[in-house]
Amino acid sequence: DGGITQSPKYLFRKEGQNVTLSCEQNLNHDAMYWYRQDPGQGLRLIYYSQIVNDFQKGDIAEGYSVSREKKESFPLTVTSAQKNPTAFYLCASSMMAVTYEQYFGPGTRLTVT
Amino acid sequence: SQQGEEDPQALSIQEGENATMNCSYKTSINNLQWYRQNSGRGLVHLILIRSNEREKHSGRLRVTLDTSKKSSSLLITASRAADTASYFCATPSGTSYGKLTFGQGTILTVHP
Repeated sequence: DGGITQSPKYLFRKEGQNVTLSCEQNLNHDAMYWYRQDPGQGLRLIYYSQIVNDFQKGDIAEGYSVSREKKESFPLTVTSAQKNPTAFYLCASSMMAVTYEQYFGPGTRLTVT
Repeated sequence: SQQGEEDPQALSIQEGENATMNCSYKTSINNLQWYRQNSGRGLVHLILIRSNEREKHSGRLRVTLDTSKKSSSLLITASRAADTASYFCATPSGTSYGKLTFGQGTILTVHP
């Protein structure tokens, strides 16, 4: 988990509320990613950013939004439009280099009731 | 879209035994990576193998890559209870630099 922090570890929200998940890295990585993981499943890419002030939709971007105003930070907002937001959210970062190795944060478990 | 598919979905072994997990993928790749995830935690990168490599070792890990069969295997030798985790393969996704697609994972349980 070193170098990437996600907060909080557990988050509870009522249906209809927007919620923002924090992701910060001190690895000086250019690229950052948000994934969603459902129980017993693999990771699905929500959004990614390869450079400050630029980001692209992943496979399941609907109902989510992001910003990348600083190299170190890539917050994810889960909006009320996301139909099934309860999940484990993982943030990752990587160098824009040949290896593509990604470094992950500890994750935020979001429960919406 | 699903690129990597792991097999088996779950594996249960005794400490000291070897564990083998397989990953198949669909499109040509220039590298394949393996990650480990302990329950409720983030993923940790284990090893990367490039398309021009057939085998790679790291400690008790041995990874093979067969590009003709579009498959890879991860072997953990002399397993320990601490190896209990989910293991995922990941391959480069599309044309976007740095983007990965992860498989569904193999859940490994090592009994002491």
